[in-house]
Amino acid sequence: GAVVSQHPSRVICKSGTSVKIECRSLDFQATTMFWYRQFPKQSLMLMATSNEGSKATYEQGVEKDKFLINHASLTLSTLTVTSAHPEDSSFYICSALPAEETQYFGPGTRLLVL
Amino acid sequence: AQTVTQSQPEMSVQEAETVTLSCTYDTSESDYYLFWYKQPPSRQMILVIRQEAYKQQNATENRFSVNFQKAAKSFSLKISDSQLGDAAMYFCAYGSSNTGKLIFGQGTTLQVKP
Repeated sequence: GAVVSQHPSRVICKSGTSVKIECRSLDFQATTMFWYRQFPKQSLMLMATSNEGSKATYEQGVEKDKFLINHASLTLSTLTVTSAHPEDSSFYICSALPAEETQYFGPGTRLLVL
Repeated sequence: AQTVTQSQPEMSVQEAETVTLSCTYDTSESDYYLFWYKQPPSRQMILVIRQEAYKQQNATENRFSVNFQKAAKSFSLKISDSQLGDAAMYFCAYGSSNTGKLIFGQGTTLQVKP
């Protein structure tokens, strides 16, 4: 089946530092990947759509300079949280979209900013 | 804009019994997909079942089936012969054929009692 990995699974950082999260599709190519944010016991909120070879499309209210997205290849998208602050602490999930319109999700990254 | 509503924050079912989770959605698009995803405590999103809007036949995957009422914009999930491993948060999601984006409902936490 379609497998998506994320790295790291958990990260703790100091306020003001930047954190990079990687999302990889392991057994398929994905021209489109998505990044979500999920607070405890809440739903997934789409942050941005990542397209290989082009700029990401951000949802309303998401700061593109804060959350930098790079989709360098058909199997890798990265999310960088710049100058992280405690309010950025959350669970970040990526997904990849192969051709058949079903998104497959990574295991998520738990970010804690101190 | 598309919306997805899950009106049952929590549901409970006895092991081996059947339970139905409700979902309604709103859209002006004619071509779309509907999904149910399961999120266990590990927080890995797992695809349970998918329905193409153009198909009248309800999707079925083993013990999981849906009741898709397109005119009523309703998409409920029925879990038969519930098992302890079915305990999780379940999300209904609308998938746009145009953008590939997913819009999630608020989620329903399912408890399975032994």
